[in-house]
Amino acid sequence: EPEVTQTPSHQVTQMGQEVILRCVPISNHLYFYWYRQILGQKVEFLVSFYNNEISEKSEIFDDQFSVERPDGSNFTLKIRSTKLEDSAMYFCASSGGGGTYEQYFGPGTRLTVT
Amino acid sequence: RKEVEQDPGPFNVPEGATVAFNCTYSNSASQSFFWYRQDCRKEPKLLMSVYSSGNEDGRFTAQLNRASQYISLLIRDSKLSDSATYLCVVNGDTDKLIFGTGTRLQVFP
Repeated sequence: EPEVTQTPSHQVTQMGQEVILRCVPISNHLYFYWYRQILGQKVEFLVSFYNNEISEKSEIFDDQFSVERPDGSNFTLKIRSTKLEDSAMYFCASSGGGGTYEQYFGPGTRLTVT
Repeated sequence: RKEVEQDPGPFNVPEGATVAFNCTYSNSASQSFFWYRQDCRKEPKLLMSVYSSGNEDGRFTAQLNRASQYISLLIRDSKLSDSATYLCVVNGDTDKLIFGTGTRLQVFP
């Protein structure tokens, strides 16, 4: 069964450092998303991406964040200068269509900022 | 009012029990509704989509009431492996998903 994959599974970084989280969406999917979940809290939407551009972004997704699809398979989330409050699980998701289509989540990257 | 509201639980039930979870949502323009399951420190996994006519998948039944903006999930014949957090999820005006805080279920022998 096709699945979304993410690397690394755990990333530890120091405050102010840049991190890149990587995702390989399901191969025939066209819509890509990043969500995050701070420990003990609910899953929150960060950004959606379609046709090589951002479709929508949340208030959390400020100028420190960027996304890219550098090739035909990878989808990345970059945090330029990490803060302590960026510590969270980051989930990538993909969907075969926008709107009412179901989204499938990767296993997540646990980001710890020290 | 929270966008998606759920009773956090926990619901502690014996194996074989029937348990029901409820959820309300605030955006009447929402078009898609889902139940996801999340195990501790794992990703949300899609359990089922929820349709206006109601739908069933094995031991799981989901219902949607658009007029009341209310979604439910019924689990029959609970198994130990059903222990998890159940997330009520709706889309907003766009395809972004809005999650509830989840309802924790613990099934005991």
